[in-house]
Amino acid sequence: DIVMTQSPDSLAVSLGERATINCKSSQSVLYRTNNKNYLAWYQQKPGQPPKLLIYWASTRESGVPDRFSGSGSGTDFTLTISSLQAEDVAVYYCQHYYSTPLTFGGGTKVEIK
Amino acid sequence: EVHLAESGGGLAQPGGSLRLSCAASGFTFSSYAMSWVRQAPGKGLEWVSAISGSDDSTYYADSVRGRFTISRDNSKNTLYLQMDSLRAEDTAVYSCAKDVSGTSNWYFDLWGRGTLVTVSS
Repeated sequence: DIVMTQSPDSLAVSLGERATINCKSSQSVLYRTNNKNYLAWYQQKPGQPPKLLIYWASTRESGVPDRFSGSGSGTDFTLTISSLQAEDVAVYYCQHYYSTPLTFGGGTKVEIK
Repeated sequence: EVHLAESGGGLAQPGGSLRLSCAASGFTFSSYAMSWVRQAPGKGLEWVSAISGSDDSTYYADSVRGRFTISRDNSKNTLYLQMDSLRAEDTAVYSCAKDVSGTSNWYFDLWGRGTLVTVSS
């Protein structure tokens, strides 16, 4: 099974500042035949279901603000919020879909400093 | 409007059974793979099981294989999870999630709000 490890567990960022979340997979999720990284990011606000933000490691879902961006390849990935807004307070999860079993990272809680 | 609504959760005794349902609306249900994902109280997300949209291929996490059975009724736009031999560690909110495409990419663009399953004597 592919283990997804997120860091940090939580972070507090001032409004308007950058937030960076890391996700590391125990094996590569890059599929060589199509050169795609099978990695998604979700946002979960309290009391709500998760919302898809990013897929293929760096493709933003329709309607997601462009302050959210994803990067990385192979085993190391990053979700960046370029200018944190109050509505971005949430827990963020990475998920690989390279193979089953699908697995999620442990989550990163983002708060306002 | 696209929507997923789970039901069937509740209190079960260890070793008992429950059947969860997920009613889908607003999209062509039969065209999409579906999954169940659970979240224990205060914990992260754990994928449980998936079923393809086309040939009903099924997939399970090791933690539930042999105890849980996923199925779907495309005529009723409904996804099911039969949960047998329940354990305390199965206590969680169970949500259904829709695959982004009909080709089983296995990431999810629509989630239900979930139904709480509590396993306790």
